[in-house]
Amino acid sequence: QQQVKQSPQSLIVQKGGISIINCAYENTAFDYFPWYQQFPGKGPALLIAIRPDVSEKKEGRFTISFNKSAKQFSLHIMDSQPGDSATYFCAASPTGRRALTFGSGTRLQVQP
Amino acid sequence: DADVTQTPRNRITKTGKRIMLECSQTKGHDRMYWYRQDPGLGLQLIYYSFDVKDINKGEISDGYSVSRQAQAKFSLSLESAIPNQTALYFCATSDSTRGYGYTFGSGTRLTVV
Repeated sequence: QQQVKQSPQSLIVQKGGISIINCAYENTAFDYFPWYQQFPGKGPALLIAIRPDVSEKKEGRFTISFNKSAKQFSLHIMDSQPGDSATYFCAASPTGRRALTFGSGTRLQVQP
Repeated sequence: DADVTQTPRNRITKTGKRIMLECSQTKGHDRMYWYRQDPGLGLQLIYYSFDVKDINKGEISDGYSVSRQAQAKFSLSLESAIPNQTALYFCATSDSTRGYGYTFGSGTRLTVV
């Protein structure tokens, strides 16, 4: 049972465009929602994270939007660059002694 | 040196063989995790450990076992490898006192033939 559903599976965006990746969750106990970025041959690295007490968090060109009532959150990459080409994973976790549950990943390709 | 080191980086093994993947960390984190990555399936949790004496099964623990030899070392064993265990395996760590951010190793690519 996939508790965090991520879409799309792959995404092609032109340089300077906006990349949008969506995730939906089922477990209402989830209260921490990070995004990880993975380059080929590397492990995932934390990009940005949000808690449900805010609806949006921005760090540079990266923004998380969070909709608690819809149980959805998304990653927006503004002014996408070829260096942003990577696989992106959303994840979620409840408070306490639990591990992160990851989405299935989105392979982003930013074309020059 | 990397904060989280996984060995080996690549391994080819035969069906039925026992194999151990090792993970060591220098971050001083108390929590360690093993995930498996398959194309289209994301990262699936195999086992996790919140301290040396606290080990928990993840969503896909069947066919795997783990050992937390010390706070800095967490190994994953495949008792009798099978071809559908061919995957990319990641070890990760986190600090329970500093939030939930994970630090991942660079992965072990395992092929079972």
